[in-house]
Amino acid sequence: DTGVSQDPRHKITKRGQNVTFRCDPISEHNRLYWYRQTLGQGPEFLTYFQNEAQLEKSRLLSDRFSAERPKGSFSTLEIQRTEQGDSAMYLCASSLGGGAVGYGYTFGSGTRLTVV
Amino acid sequence: KNQVEQSPQSLIILEGKNCTLQCNYTVSPFSNLRWYKQDTGRGPVSLTIMTFSENTKSNGRYTATLDADTKQSSLHITASQLSDSASYICVVSAAHTNAGKSTFGDGTTLTVKP
Repeated sequence: DTGVSQDPRHKITKRGQNVTFRCDPISEHNRLYWYRQTLGQGPEFLTYFQNEAQLEKSRLLSDRFSAERPKGSFSTLEIQRTEQGDSAMYLCASSLGGGAVGYGYTFGSGTRLTVV
Repeated sequence: KNQVEQSPQSLIILEGKNCTLQCNYTVSPFSNLRWYKQDTGRGPVSLTIMTFSENTKSNGRYTATLDADTKQSSLHITASQLSDSASYICVVSAAHTNAGKSTFGDGTTLTVKP
């Protein structure tokens, strides 16, 4: 296991199309997070899973966004009817939950989405 | 509202020089503070993690300090190298939260020139 993997690394799509990203966390990590990052900004929290349960969603996550983690392993993030404002880097992170929440994230390399 | 403010926004230094990046936070109650290095187009990579009781932690040429009373942290980079050029992000987690979210700063962009 070499860390958190994200696929694809880059995605260019036309406005109005749907896109889906995949994240494979570190195998023993039970927590998985999705973040969105725009240029010059820090990552913004989107949603968080503990095992297969989606425990929290940010208000940034509009109805066009949906995330799943069906078997508590890999996760997908889907954006429907993409808009130009969705252009960003989408980061996935995982951690082994327990005491201090959010302690010791490992991030993937991200998926760069460009909506044209 | 929990906030993390980093300064400066950007910094240019010559190779071999030292530099210090600042992070001020208002996250409460405090759990831990992490510094990440993010190369362009890549995900953040953890440099240091500090809890309330830790004042300083080193990772090679990177040394982080934490003053929990003033809610300030600094990241000192010694003998900078060209490969240190990156964005450095300060992340603070609150205690007793059920969510996995933390509060991220917007980062300091460091450019090391030969």
